[in-house]
Amino acid sequence: DAGVIQSPRHEVTEMGQEVTLRCKPISGHNSLFWYRQTMMRGLELLIYFNNNVPIDDSGMPEDRFSAKMPNASFSTLKIQPSEPRDSAVYFCASSLTGISQPQHFGDGTRLSIL
Amino acid sequence: KNQVEQSPQSLIILEGKNCTLQCNYTVSPFSNLRWYKQDTGRGPVSLTIMTFSENTKSNGRYTATLDADTKQSSLHITASQLSDSASYICVVSANTGANNLFFGTGTRLTVIP
Repeated sequence: DAGVIQSPRHEVTEMGQEVTLRCKPISGHNSLFWYRQTMMRGLELLIYFNNNVPIDDSGMPEDRFSAKMPNASFSTLKIQPSEPRDSAVYFCASSLTGISQPQHFGDGTRLSIL
Repeated sequence: KNQVEQSPQSLIILEGKNCTLQCNYTVSPFSNLRWYKQDTGRGPVSLTIMTFSENTKSNGRYTATLDADTKQSSLHITASQLSDSASYICVVSANTGANNLFFGTGTRLTVIP
């Protein structure tokens, strides 16, 4: 059974460029989460959706970050314009319902902004 | 302030030995505590989830304990294997609001032959 699928696995781009990360949650899961992981700060929850609706985006670092979930099987996290300090591994996770349920993570997108 | 602290930061043990990882938290009001295993280059995988009323939970060679009074949890790994080499992350959920997950920075475990 397919897990959470993220693309691309790696992204290297220059500062100022737009970056779009993609996520396909596990079928039947109603909640989707975007995380960022760095050595300094560990895992940070950026935003999560329930039934395609953003519930809490208080973890989004600034207006350069935006996330959408147009349907139950697809979500994007966009950074525009990107900056070197955005370099991190970005994870998407999904759960059956809500933030307290077990979350299943994708293998992440390693983003490097030069 | 809601915080989760893990110790040690890193640990090296011989294959076959046991080890214990610690997680102390100040999150309140407490909802649940989770331990995740994260292999290099992969996403975290849930090992255990414990609520207030549970003080121990096992998943194979992994046993988590929870003391809600002292706000401490431990993850005990028995008869370690090379495949246990990974980062172990403690996550505590508060029973308030929407964004209520608090993460430790993890313990990096290396098992050597």
